[in-house]
Amino acid sequence: EPEVTQTPSHQVTQMGQEVILRCVPISNHLYFYWYRQILGQKVEFLVSFYNNEISEKSEIFDDQFSVERPDGSNFTLKIRSTKLEDSAMYFCASTRSFLSNQPQHFGDGTRLSIL
Amino acid sequence: SQELEQSPQSLIVQEGKNLTINCTSSKTLYGLYWYKQKYGEGLIFLMMLQKGGEEKSHEKITAKLDEKKQQSSLHITASQPSHAGIYLCGADLLRQGAQKLVFGQGTRLTINP
Repeated sequence: EPEVTQTPSHQVTQMGQEVILRCVPISNHLYFYWYRQILGQKVEFLVSFYNNEISEKSEIFDDQFSVERPDGSNFTLKIRSTKLEDSAMYFCASTRSFLSNQPQHFGDGTRLSIL
Repeated sequence: SQELEQSPQSLIVQEGKNLTINCTSSKTLYGLYWYKQKYGEGLIFLMMLQKGGEEKSHEKITAKLDEKKQQSSLHITASQPSHAGIYLCGADLLRQGAQKLVFGQGTRLTINP
């Protein structure tokens, strides 16, 4: 069964450094998402992306964050200057349609640790 | 107040017993999704419910949606060790494009042999 794949599984970065998290969504999916889960807290929406544009973003998704679909398969999340509070599990998700009858499928996540 | 609240927060049951997890929304639900998360791993899609009164089953797991009460329940029959994990409900509360999901805090299920 097709699945969303994320790399790396664990990223350790010094505070202030840039980090890029990578995702390969399911091939026939058109809508892409990033969520994050700080340890012990809820899964939180960051951003949705469709047709090479951001569809919606949360308050968390400030100027330090950016997303890109650099080619036909990858979807990336970049954090320009990481902070300690960016430490979290980051999940990528994709779906065929934005309609509620199509579920989002999630990857296994990237655990980001900021030192 | 929490937009999506799950109860209980944790549950320990004997293998073979039945159990129910609830998810209550403070807003109208336009789609309700149940996911399972193994510790430290990704979210595995279980079921989605769209219409009031809808009920879906997969193997020993049944989910129902009560639209009027803005509530969903997940019921596991004859629980097995493989059912252990964190169950998350997610909801589309906006009824607009992009299907931004809001999640509950999760229910941690432990199955004792």
